[in-house]
Amino acid sequence: AQSVTQLDSQVPVFEEAPVELRCNYSSSVSVYLFWYVQYPNQGLQLLLKYLSGSTLVKGINGFEAEFNKSQTSFHLRKPSVHISDTAEYFCAVSPVSYQKVTFGIGTKLQVIP
Amino acid sequence: EAQVTQNPRYLITVTGKKLTVTCSQNMNHEYMSWYRQDPGLGLRQIYYSMNVEVTDKGDVPEGYKVSRKEKRNFPLILESPSPNQTSLYFCASTPRTGDPYEQYFGPGTRLTVT
Repeated sequence: AQSVTQLDSQVPVFEEAPVELRCNYSSSVSVYLFWYVQYPNQGLQLLLKYLSGSTLVKGINGFEAEFNKSQTSFHLRKPSVHISDTAEYFCAVSPVSYQKVTFGIGTKLQVIP
Repeated sequence: EAQVTQNPRYLITVTGKKLTVTCSQNMNHEYMSWYRQDPGLGLRQIYYSMNVEVTDKGDVPEGYKVSRKEKRNFPLILESPSPNQTSLYFCASTPRTGDPYEQYFGPGTRLTVT
C-alpha cells in the first residue's frame, strides 16, 4: 500500500514571495509522482509529474518540484507567487506497474496581496 | 475540445431517492474513475474501470454502483443515497498510451443528501 502526506493544510504567502508546498510519500515499490491544482469551483488539473530521469521537474505556471528518493519527498516550489496561484494543491502517487493513484489531503495556498 | 463532462453539476436530493451522475469523455480513454472529495480527506477513489465492461472497487465503494457499457460513459449510481454521501464528486479519465496515469478531471458534481 502507498500513502501521501501533505504536511500543511493551509499556506498563506505574500504576493511575489517564494513558496514551498511539502509532500512526503510512502511506498514499497517504484512510483510515479504528481502534483495537481484545483482552482475554486473547478476540477483538478495536472501541474507536473515525475516519471523517471531528472529529479527536478518543471510544470505549468512556473511551478517546479524535486523528487528526493532518500527522503521520499516531492516538494512543490515556485520562486514568486501571484494572486492567481490561490488554489488547492494535491500531491498524488501511483505505483509504476499499475494505475492506483492515491491523493494527499491537499494544501490550500492563499496568496495575500 | 477534449474534455470530461459531468451532469448535473449541482444536486440536492432526499435520503433514499435513487440518482445517477453521468460522466462522459471524448478522448477515447480506456481508464475512468470516480472520486469523492471531502474536507480534510482529500480525494478518495470510489470505483474505476479499465475498459468497457471492466469495473472494480476503489477505496470507498459502499453505497455506490457503476457501469461501463460504452467507452465514453461511466455513470455513478446511488441506489439509496444517505446524508453521509453528501460530497463533491469527480470523474476522471486516463489514456492507456502516452504519459502514464495522468488523469483528466471533470468539473465536479456537488451532491447534497438531506
